[in-house]
Amino acid sequence: GAVVSQHPSWVICKSGTSVKIECRSLDFQATTMFWYRQFPKQSLMLMATSNEGSKATYEQGVEKDKFLINHASLTLSTLTVTSAHPEDSSFYICSARPGQGALLGSPLHFGNGTRLTVT
Amino acid sequence: GDSVTQMEGPVTLSEEACLTINCTYTATGYPSLFWYVQYPGEGLQLLLKATKADDKGSNKGFEATYRKETTSFHLEKGSVQVSDSAVYFCSTGGYQKVTFGTGTKLQVIP
Repeated sequence: GAVVSQHPSWVICKSGTSVKIECRSLDFQATTMFWYRQFPKQSLMLMATSNEGSKATYEQGVEKDKFLINHASLTLSTLTVTSAHPEDSSFYICSARPGQGALLGSPLHFGNGTRLTVT
Repeated sequence: GDSVTQMEGPVTLSEEACLTINCTYTATGYPSLFWYVQYPGEGLQLLLKATKADDKGSNKGFEATYRKETTSFHLEKGSVQVSDSAVYFCSTGGYQKVTFGTGTKLQVIP
């Protein structure tokens, strides 16, 4: 149980275009989902916390207008990279916790990530 | 806020060698602690967890003990296999935010 599906697994787009990445919790509801960016040296950077029915909470240094997050339902959050540039090329990963609100002690469940390449 | 410090990698071991990946944390209160594993080209998977002091998490031959006195949660395995090659992340888990270490890449050679 507690499966998170992320789509697409990889995408190549041209500079200036927008790309949407979906994160779905398949067998549980998640009021909160998290979006990470992983850099080549493997470290994970939390970009934002996606809250169902309200605005996302962005981490310092993450451009809200560039990385649009929508959490329209309890099972779906989307990250849209707008006007993508080559420096946005990266591995993006989403995660979620089962339950209404994040329970202390419960682990995160991760999607398999999306490899974005901007040419 | 919380912070997690992991040993720098990469760690290269021969098959059947012993593994220890150090992890220490700073946090307010007593957070749950987790180890996640990331295989090449994939997202992270939970490897094991511990929710209170002296708890030992274990899975697939890996173990880690929640040490409150040393604020540590070192990952250990007695005999690694080639299939254990991956990146390992230590993390704390609170109500909303999860804090990750920088990850330690493990390469096991036959």
